[in-house]
Amino acid sequence: AQKITQTQPGMFVQEKEAVTLDCTYDTSDPSYGLFWYKQPSSGEMIFLIYQGSYDQQNATEGRYSLNFQKARKSANLVISASQLGDSAMYFCAMREGQTGGFKTIFGAGTRLFVKA
Amino acid sequence: AAGVIQSPRHLIKEKRETATLKCYPIPRHDTVYWYQQGPGQDPQFLISFYEKMQSDKGSIPDRFSAQQFSDYHSELNMSSLELGDSALYFCASSSLTRQDSTAEAFFGQGTRLTVV
Repeated sequence: AQKITQTQPGMFVQEKEAVTLDCTYDTSDPSYGLFWYKQPSSGEMIFLIYQGSYDQQNATEGRYSLNFQKARKSANLVISASQLGDSAMYFCAMREGQTGGFKTIFGAGTRLFVKA
Repeated sequence: AAGVIQSPRHLIKEKRETATLKCYPIPRHDTVYWYQQGPGQDPQFLISFYEKMQSDKGSIPDRFSAQQFSDYHSELNMSSLELGDSALYFCASSSLTRQDSTAEAFFGQGTRLTVV
């Protein structure tokens, strides 16, 4: 079974609009962390935002916010006021606690295209 | 702040040759992870080391080996290279002694290996 599911292979958004990238996850470990990474065409993996499984509030980092719905096991990324430079591949990822060996498991990614 | 350093950034090898990728984790990080990202794919976990001992093993081919040295840097050795080994190889480091052990693992910029 997929641990991380990103159902949107590609997304288009108009510049200055908000966009939501979907992510659902599957784990039985009570302790886990959820991440979003941005990967531009240059290839580096850029950390965007983190949500711990015990965090009560949704994480926010500038224009990025994570809509964490624990009961639904979803961790959608919301990018507000999209910019042309946001065009990239976005990966949702998870690190499980002891049972998962702390390694990072990635989803298949969503390619975001920001239109001028 | 110091980040994860990977070398080389780019590497071109011929089939059946060997390659060695190096990773220098963030100082005081005790865990190193290696990932392989093929073209158009999400990163796949290969292997990890905690305190110089192998801690977890993923989809690492038998032709590959890795180790972590006393100074905590790690090397991924790849022998009998095949065309399919062409990929972006990421190293990440984290500290499992931190209270929040599922927090972020920091990624290096990756080594792009091309096998011709």
